[in-house]
Amino acid sequence: AQSVAQPEDQVNVAEGNPLTVKCTYSVSGNPYLFWYVQYPNRGLQFLLKYITGDNLVKGSYGFEAEFNKSQTSFHLKKPSALVSDSALYFCAVRDIQTGANNLFFGTGTRLTVIP
Amino acid sequence: DAMVIQNPRYQVTQFGKPVTLSCSQTLNHNVMYWYQQKSSQAPKLLFHYYDKDFNNEADTPDNFQSRRPNTSFCFLDIRSPGLGDAAMYLCATSRQREVSDTQYFGPGTRLTVL
Repeated sequence: AQSVAQPEDQVNVAEGNPLTVKCTYSVSGNPYLFWYVQYPNRGLQFLLKYITGDNLVKGSYGFEAEFNKSQTSFHLKKPSALVSDSALYFCAVRDIQTGANNLFFGTGTRLTVIP
Repeated sequence: DAMVIQNPRYQVTQFGKPVTLSCSQTLNHNVMYWYQQKSSQAPKLLFHYYDKDFNNEADTPDNFQSRRPNTSFCFLDIRSPGLGDAAMYLCATSRQREVSDTQYFGPGTRLTVL
């Protein structure tokens, strides 16, 4: 069965500093990994995904994520945080063995960027 | 702009009074999903439509039903809302049902049950 862990409920970072939001996964086959961001009272916005190929994936709003198969991780990063990046971030996974219907989400990490 | 639209954004209903939430999409995607997200929790898939084919998750209560009259629209019906059904309901779409396909979400409808 698939699962996703986001070990930090809350991450605080100063504006202008690099940020990392952590995600580890467990799947029985090859993983397909996604990051979404959710602003208050809004739906989820797609940031980026890893399907295959280059381990470093670049996405929207300057975010990127690095797929690390040996550590089963897919951490979200940004070189310089903005106050407007403050939001709830969800990592999600699918694998081809159990089908494409369901995205399994982590419990979310709340990012606060301090001015 | 192509998008996923949900109406209303906020819905208040009374305990036991049926309620319908609406989702429409201009993306012409084949798959439409309904998720339930309770406060501070991850979204949980209730069911999805692949074209006209309805697929229910095993643990979705019978109280939740869905209709997809055409490609663009999908409805979530809650037959007898309980206090525990208060949540954000998210509609999503994807082009096909491939593992690599991205799901695109609407803004959500926040349901309050009095």
